[in-house]
Amino acid sequence: DTGVSQNPRHKITKRGQNVTFRCDPISEHNRLYWYRQTLGQGPEFLTYFQNEAQLEKSRLLSDRFSAERPKGSFSTLEIQRTEQGDSAMYLCASSLTGGEYEQYFGPGTRLTVT
Amino acid sequence: AQSVTQLDSQVPVFEEAPVELRCNYSSSVSVYLFWYVQYPNQGLQLLLKYLSGSTLVESINGFEAEFNKSQTSFHLRKPSVHISDTAEYFCAVSVALRDYKLSFGAGTTVTVRA
Repeated sequence: DTGVSQNPRHKITKRGQNVTFRCDPISEHNRLYWYRQTLGQGPEFLTYFQNEAQLEKSRLLSDRFSAERPKGSFSTLEIQRTEQGDSAMYLCASSLTGGEYEQYFGPGTRLTVT
Repeated sequence: AQSVTQLDSQVPVFEEAPVELRCNYSSSVSVYLFWYVQYPNQGLQLLLKYLSGSTLVESINGFEAEFNKSQTSFHLRKPSVHISDTAEYFCAVSVALRDYKLSFGAGTTVTVRA
């Protein structure tokens, strides 16, 4: 069990550019979640997958955001035409299915949009 | 929708003193409750959770939390803190037997001083 990994750890981009983040969950976990955390706030839910199916998207996830989890393994989160308001820490978590199971969080990708 | 309120944003405390972090939630359905901890420069880690049964839950490092349904609270306590407990603590809630996405509070920063 190597834990949840996220790449890159830091990303600085100019407004209007597209960025893509990757999350590698714990291998046997079929649930994968994306959260966003801004300074001074707790993480906010963005979307989650059960295997390769994306089951829910938060209203926080505008049309510029898209997430995928091909083959139910790693996941990517893409932001198109980034805005300064997108600057945040993007967290990925994975778990087995069931609320009794712990969500294991990755270290996050810190995005700064200049 | 569920929401979580952490009543204290910062809690300074002396080493070996007790600490209590307050958490209140609102929900119209049954919930699971969690406390996560984030040590400096590390990812979120589960500290303890309440799913059902005994309303008092304990962690391996001396923290405990009590679920109070009538007061919709899940306060976290430790009778004697160490310098190593310096961290940010997040209370979170998820809807029982549903999607298990977490709704977090804004966090409480605990700073332990010698």
